[in-house]
Amino acid sequence: DGGITQSPKYLFRKEGQNVTLSCEQNLNHDAMYWYRQDPGQGLRLIYYSQIVNDFQKGDIAEGYSVSREKKESFPLTVTSAQKNPTAFYLCASSPGQAASGSETQYFGPGTRLLVL
Amino acid sequence: AQSVTQLDSHVSVSEGTPVLLRCNYSSSYSPSLFWYVQHPNKGLQLLLKYTSAATLVKGINGFEAEFKKSETSFHLTKPSAHMSDAAEYFCVVSERSGGGADGLTFGKGTHLIIQP
Repeated sequence: DGGITQSPKYLFRKEGQNVTLSCEQNLNHDAMYWYRQDPGQGLRLIYYSQIVNDFQKGDIAEGYSVSREKKESFPLTVTSAQKNPTAFYLCASSPGQAASGSETQYFGPGTRLLVL
Repeated sequence: AQSVTQLDSHVSVSEGTPVLLRCNYSSSYSPSLFWYVQHPNKGLQLLLKYTSAATLVKGINGFEAEFKKSETSFHLTKPSAHMSDAAEYFCVVSERSGGGADGLTFGKGTHLIIQP
């Protein structure tokens, strides 16, 4: 079964704590993305990676960090510097710019982060 | 620069009646356009996409959209609404201008309510 998995489904963060959200894909896609979704605001891009060992900041990267050590994995860390982390986080992947129809992004089920 | 405007934040229709979700875009290049659907606490699912082939695009679950360049619109329609169509719908524009993250811009979403 091919697809994108995100874990956990719900995550609670205490003040001053870093937390890591997992995203794994078995679609053999080159590109992966992290978005933040807040009510009434659509999706905003946090970070993206078009190839292993490379990633770029999106529109709202402050307070977040990522790594891309493996093609299938793109974890997102929400650091203590992110003052308003409560949101729904969505991971996506796409085949990559070189492939036909590459701009179509496929989404995981999401992780809801809540602050205690 | 590209942008997308979903003209209605909420649309309410009765089951069995037609659905119209409106989307206008602006783009400096020949855009690709997408509609995604999101059910509560789930990821986004691709409904359909336009990539400069036929202007009338058929998607899953009976949805279709028509690309009208003269009106810069890409409205989503369905002849007969079903209760399972109740969800959030996002219109997305992509410019293949070489920008990062495949240049996706998301609308803020339209919440579709189906009355029994």
